[in-house]
Amino acid sequence: DARVTQTPRDKVTEMGQEVTMRCQPILGHNTVFWYRQTMMQGLELLAYFRNRAPLDDSGMPKDRFSAEMPDATLATLKIQPSEPRDSAVYFCASGLVASGSPDTQYFGPGTRLTVL
Amino acid sequence: DAKTTQPTSMDCAEGRAANLPCNHSTISGNEYVYWYRQIHSQGPQYIIHGLKNNETNEMASLIITEDRKSSTLILPHATLRDTAVYYCIVRVRSSSNTGKLIFGQGTTLQVKP
Repeated sequence: DARVTQTPRDKVTEMGQEVTMRCQPILGHNTVFWYRQTMMQGLELLAYFRNRAPLDDSGMPKDRFSAEMPDATLATLKIQPSEPRDSAVYFCASGLVASGSPDTQYFGPGTRLTVL
Repeated sequence: DAKTTQPTSMDCAEGRAANLPCNHSTISGNEYVYWYRQIHSQGPQYIIHGLKNNETNEMASLIITEDRKSSTLILPHATLRDTAVYYCIVRVRSSSNTGKLIFGQGTTLQVKP
């Protein structure tokens, strides 16, 4: 049963520290998405990649957030320096976006980030 | 992508059908209706999608009105495990699209014993 995996599941850190979240998309999927969820804002799209190339990262604060896909099996979301307002659950999702495909997105379990 | 309107919350008795409405009056001809749900503390989960015709799968049925301005997700026999936030999303599907989803606030469905 293929699924998206994310590590760590929980992260508590202090303000100013660097945080790296990792995602392993489902093998064969060509698109990876990063979302952030808070009580106030709900689910927000931060960035996404197609065939490892960044398509859109307009949802991310550029000064502190960065997203990369060093290879097809790994996507990373980094925050440096972290701030208390970054506290949220970060979800990674992957999907096969192509002609004839249903464009279904499969979400990982999320990383719960708490910045003190 | 077209905006959707859903009730904030709904209750349903266990074993009964849950009917979740969604209004998308500004939907255009090439936009599909997608439904996802999010059970507490989990990532969103795909349920079903459709364009014009009614659709059914092992999880639910999707009824789209003839004018496509609204739709209803039906869980035929709701269980306690169906308690979740249900999101109705409308977006274009094409070979050149981005595939991205824009989530609204959704409907919180509470299934009661």
